[in-house]
This record gives sequence, C-alpha cells and structure tokens, in this order.
Amino acid sequence: GQQLNQSPQSMFIQEGEDVSMNCTSSSIFNTWLWYKQDPGEGPVLLIALYKAGELTSNGRLTAQFGITRKDSFLNISASIPSDVGIYFCAGFSSGSARQLTFGSGTQLTVLP
Amino acid sequence: EAGVAQSPRYKIIEKRQSVAFWCNPISGHATLYWYQQILGQGPKLLIQFQNNGVVDDSQLPKDRFSAERLKGVDSTLKIQPAKLEDSAVYLCASGRTRISTDTQYFGPGTRLTVL
Repeated sequence: GQQLNQSPQSMFIQEGEDVSMNCTSSSIFNTWLWYKQDPGEGPVLLIALYKAGELTSNGRLTAQFGITRKDSFLNISASIPSDVGIYFCAGFSSGSARQLTFGSGTQLTVLP
Repeated sequence: EAGVAQSPRYKIIEKRQSVAFWCNPISGHATLYWYQQILGQGPKLLIQFQNNGVVDDSQLPKDRFSAERLKGVDSTLKIQPAKLEDSAVYLCASGRTRISTDTQYFGPGTRLTVL
C-alpha cells in the first residue's frame, strides 16, 4: 500500500516558538490533509490541500501542497500549550483514490 | 450536531475470544469508515461503507474481522477470534457525502487490549 514518511517523529519546543513538520511520499498524492489527535480522541482535521503549490492557513497553522505532489509541510507559529498532541499528515494518492493514507505522526510537546 | 459515537471506549479480552465494537455516525452521513490504529502509528483503513454497502474492504483481515452497517446507519465491527496483534484503537469515522475524499469526522475510538 501507499506509505507516507512523516518527520520528525517527535518535537520538544518552548512556548512561543515556531514549529515545522513534513511528510513525503514516493507516490503522487491528489489531496493532502493535516490532522491533530489529542489523547483518547480521534483525529480532527486541521487543513485540507487540493492543488499542487497550494498554501493554506488556519489561524496559526499554515500548510503547503508540494509542487511535485509528493510532499507537504505544516507550520505552527507562536506555539501555545494546547498545541500539544500528535499531528498526522494524510492523503489520497493517485493510485488509491478512495483510501485515506496516514503518516506515522509527529508528537509535539510544548514546554512552558 | 452530535459527533460520531463509539462504544465501548475500552475493552480487554484474552486471545481467541470474540469482541464487537459499535459505531453511530453523525446523523445523515452517507459514508462510514472503520480504522485500526496501532500504538505509534497512524490509522489504517479497514473497511468503508456507503449507506449499507461495502465500498472497500481490501485491508480487512476477513478470516477474523467482519463488519456490517444494517439500514445504512450504525455499524458493528467484530473480531473472532482475537489475536495479540489486534491490540489497537479502533476508530470509526463518517463522511457527509458518498465522495470518498469528503471530510471524515472521527469518533473517540475503542481501545482494545488482547492479553
């Protein structure tokens, strides 16, 4: 099946710092999504990207759909304690358009 | 609008036992998904329903897993018999339309521990 390589696996940052995480694939993806999962909860959609080169913001979050359609990144600016959680990239590939493929996640810890 | 409901939230069983999970999607949502999320990994799709029909079950281990969505509303996922490697969180999600790329709304999941 399709695989998404997400990095870094975990991050420890100070409150107020910016953070960046990315996702790469060997296959072309038609849609890139970024989710956040809090402990004991299901993933919640943060940002959806539908076109190569697209740059989309949601408050302090900004995500981009890579030009090659094989990567995406998520930036969080001015981190706050409630940003703590696991961030997943996900997408629909050109070869498996019905199945949503998830990355392995980035565990974010924000230190006060 | 009420979210996706799942029960039970936690289940502990011994290997070779059977277990069933229940999901009630958001009212009016046409598509329902079951995912398996092993600790430290992202969710993996097991099965997708549109109304009460199966759209994709290519990653469902059919020798032990089964799922149904009677009347196109709520759904049950069953494991029989369970193996140690089935320990995971089982997430249910629903989508408003029949379009597979439509936004999926996830429930809180059922955490299964197989001893």
